[in-house]
Amino acid sequence: AQSVTQLDSQVPVFEEAPVELRCNYSSSVSVYLFWYVQYPNQGLQLLLKYLSGSTLVKGINGFEAEFNKSQTSFHLRKPSVHISDTAEYFCAVCPLRAAGNKLTFGGGTRVLVKP
Amino acid sequence: NAGVTQTPKFQVLKTGQSMTLQCAQDMNHNSMYWYRQDPGMGLRLIYYSASEGTTDKGEVPNGYNVSRLNKREFSLRLESAAPSQTSVYFCASRAGGEGTGELFFGEGSRLTVL
Repeated sequence: AQSVTQLDSQVPVFEEAPVELRCNYSSSVSVYLFWYVQYPNQGLQLLLKYLSGSTLVKGINGFEAEFNKSQTSFHLRKPSVHISDTAEYFCAVCPLRAAGNKLTFGGGTRVLVKP
Repeated sequence: NAGVTQTPKFQVLKTGQSMTLQCAQDMNHNSMYWYRQDPGMGLRLIYYSASEGTTDKGEVPNGYNVSRLNKREFSLRLESAAPSQTSVYFCASRAGGEGTGELFFGEGSRLTVL
C-alpha cells in the first residue's frame, strides 16, 4: 500500500513571493508521482507528473517539482506566485504496473495568495 | 468540449434515502473512478472500473455500489444514505493502460445527508 503526506495543510503567501509545498510518500514499490490543483468549486487538474528521467519536472503555470528518491519526496515550487494561484494542491502517487492504475492522494495544501 | 460530466451538482438527502450519482465522459477513456473528498483527507477512492464490464473496490467502498453501464457511463449508488456520506464526490476518467496518464475530473457533486 502507498501513503502520501502533505506536511502543510495551509500556506499563506504574498503575491510575487516564492512558495514551496512539501510532499512525502511511502511505498514498497516504485511509483509515478503527480501534482494536481483544484481551483474553488472545480474539479482537479494536472499540474505536472514525474514518470522517469530528470528529477526536476516542469509543469503548467510556472510550477516545478523535484523528485528525491532517497528522501521519498516530491516537493512543488513556484518562484513567484500570483493571486490566481490561490487554490488547493494535491500530491498523488500511482504504483508502476498496478491493477487499475489507482492514485493515492495526500490530504491537500491550501494556498492563499495575499496582495 | 464536455470532458467528464457529473449530475446532480448538489443534493440533500435524509438518512436512509437512496440516490444515484451519474457520470459520463466523452473522451473514449477505458478507466473510470469515483472519489470522495473530505476536508484534510484529500481524495479517497470509492470504486473504479479499469475497463468496460469490470468494477473493483477502492479504499472506502462500504455503503456504495457502482455500475459501468457502457464505456461512457459510470454511476455511483447510495442505497441507504448516512450522515457519514456527506461529502463532495468526484468522478474521473483516464485513457488506461499504464498508470502514467492524466486523470480528468468532473466538477463534483456535493451531497449532504441530514
